[in-house]
Amino acid sequence: AIQMTQSPSSLSASVGDRVTITCRASQDIGNELGWYQQKPGKAPKLLIYTTSALHNEVPSRFSGRGSGTDFTLTISGLQPEDFATYFCLQDFNYPYTFGQGTKLE
Amino acid sequence: QVQLVESGGGVVQPGGSLRLSCAASGFPFNSFPMHWVRQSPGKGLECVAFIRFDGSRQSYADSVKGRFTISRDNSKNILYLQMSSLRNDDTGVYYCARETDVGSYLMDYWGQGALVTVSS
Repeated sequence: AIQMTQSPSSLSASVGDRVTITCRASQDIGNELGWYQQKPGKAPKLLIYTTSALHNEVPSRFSGRGSGTDFTLTISGLQPEDFATYFCLQDFNYPYTFGQGTKLE
Repeated sequence: QVQLVESGGGVVQPGGSLRLSCAASGFPFNSFPMHWVRQSPGKGLECVAFIRFDGSRQSYADSVKGRFTISRDNSKNILYLQMSSLRNDDTGVYYCARETDVGSYLMDYWGQGALVTVSS
């Protein structure tokens, strides 16, 4: 299975900050990567698919970039509701695999 | 609106069996591939099973292959996960999730999750 290495595992930031989370795939996955946000006790919420496309009603302060093996999620101008855990997920081949998560606090 | 509601979770002894169900509504269930994803403190998020919209093909994570079976009843809008030979490390929250309708294979709508605890 493709391994996804996500960093950092935790990130301390403040409202208004710009933060970047990175995911690296163990092999070339093209642009087949998405990002999820999860809050405690809730299911993950899809933010971005195919590397950079925003899902429905996701604010434009979220952006994704990358291709091949290296990908980033950037949040520009953190809002209070953005403090959560973020995961990348590759859908290049099954089993799709998640990164270990980044807790934004 | 899209709704996915899991049921069937609970406590089971190692070696036991359990069947999870996921009732779908608010979208044409028979047109969408579906997934089961689990989450545990030790292993994080893990895609465990996938089924095509018509049930014609299934895929599994190596960790559950031969023990779990995903199926669907498109006449009832229900997704299932039959789990057998359960092990302690199968403990976790199991989510059903729908594949997106925007040309990506990712999952867009998720249920609230069903807790499965494997313990003696």
